[in-house]
This record gives sequence, structure tokens and C-alpha cells, in this order.
Amino acid sequence: DIQMTQSPSSLSASVGDTVSITCRASETIGSYVNWYQQTPGKAPKLLICVASNLHSGVPSRFSGRGSGTDFTLTISSLQPEDVATYFCQQSYSPPYTFGQGTKLELK
Amino acid sequence: DVQLVESGGDLVKPGGSLRVSCIASGFTFSNALMTWVRQAPGRGLEWVGHISSKTDGETTEYAAAVKGRFTISRDDSKSTLYLQMTSLKSEDSAVYYCTTIRLKWGASSFDHWGQGTLLAVSS
Repeated sequence: DIQMTQSPSSLSASVGDTVSITCRASETIGSYVNWYQQTPGKAPKLLICVASNLHSGVPSRFSGRGSGTDFTLTISSLQPEDVATYFCQQSYSPPYTFGQGTKLELK
Repeated sequence: DVQLVESGGDLVKPGGSLRVSCIASGFTFSNALMTWVRQAPGRGLEWVGHISSKTDGETTEYAAAVKGRFTISRDDSKSTLYLQMTSLKSEDSAVYYCTTIRLKWGASSFDHWGQGTLLAVSS
């Protein structure tokens, strides 16, 4: 199985900051990475697919990049509603594994 | 708007069985590739399995942890996805989400999610 390792596991930032979350795959997976946002008590929402493509309706302050084994989700100009846990997921081959999550909080 | 509504979660004893359902609306369910994802309390996300459309043979695929115990099926006449779970273990306790699978740029993503239904396995 492909392991997805996210870092950091948690981070704290201020409104207006730019934050980045990284995800490393245990083997090369091209651009087959998706990113999801989960707010407390809610189902996850798709943010970015195929490493860098913004899903419909997602604010442009979210961006993704990477290929091979290393991927990054960046949130520019952090907003209060961005407080959530973020997960990466590989869609290269089943089982479609997720990272362990990064919990983002406001300072 | 796409809506997915899961139901059927319950408290079940180890070794027991349960079927959970997901009623879909707002899209052509019969054409859709569907998946189940679970999340144990306070834990991360785990893909359980998926099912293709009838046109594509209703092919299923499962995670190793559930293979042979869980069965995904669909009733297109009712726009409903099912997850039949047997030989339940405590580690199956989780919120179970159904999701649609979007295929674009040669890759898949889980683009619409239900609100989830909770399974607790305990004696």
C-alpha cells in the first residue's frame, strides 16, 4: 500500500498568514493527489484534485503543487473559516490511502 | 444540488451484521461510480471500497481490512448505495460516508460526501 505522510500534524497561524502543508508519498504517484478540508463535525470537502486543480467553488487562496512523491497545499491570506483539518489522498492505486491529517488552528 | 443521505448506523455486538444505506439525488445515480469512506472517532479517513456503474459491470473493490466481510451494492431504481457489513469487529467502529467519485484528467477524486452514519461495535 502507498503510505501518505503529512506534516506538520498541527499548526497554528494568524488571520492573513500564508500556511503550507506537505504530503509525501511512499512511492512515486505522478500527480495523483487530492486534498480535502474537514471542519469539526462535518464531512470532508474536496479542495484540490490532481495535485493542483482547484475544485469548483473553492476560494482561490487555496493552491496545490507537486508531483512524484512530494506535494504541498498552500493557503494564502488565512481566513477564520479555514480552521479545519486537512487531508491529502492518493488516487494512483487502490487502496486509496489518506494522510493522517493536519489540524489548522488560529493563533 | 447533489445530495447523499446515509442511514442505518447503529450499535452492534462484535460478530454481528449491519447494512447501511445512502440515498442519492441531484445527479444520474445509475451512471455514477460510488465509494464508501470511514472515519473512526478522532481518527483519519480510510477508503473502504467502491462500486462502478451497471454499465461498467458493477465492479467492486475493497480495502484489505474489510475484504470478505463487507459488500457494496447498488439499486439504481432507488438511487441507493448499500454497504453490507458482517463479522463486525470493534475496529470497524466509525462514521461511514458515501461519496461520489469524479473522474477528470485521468484521475479520481471524491467530490460529494454525505453527512455520514455512525457504527459502533461493542459488547
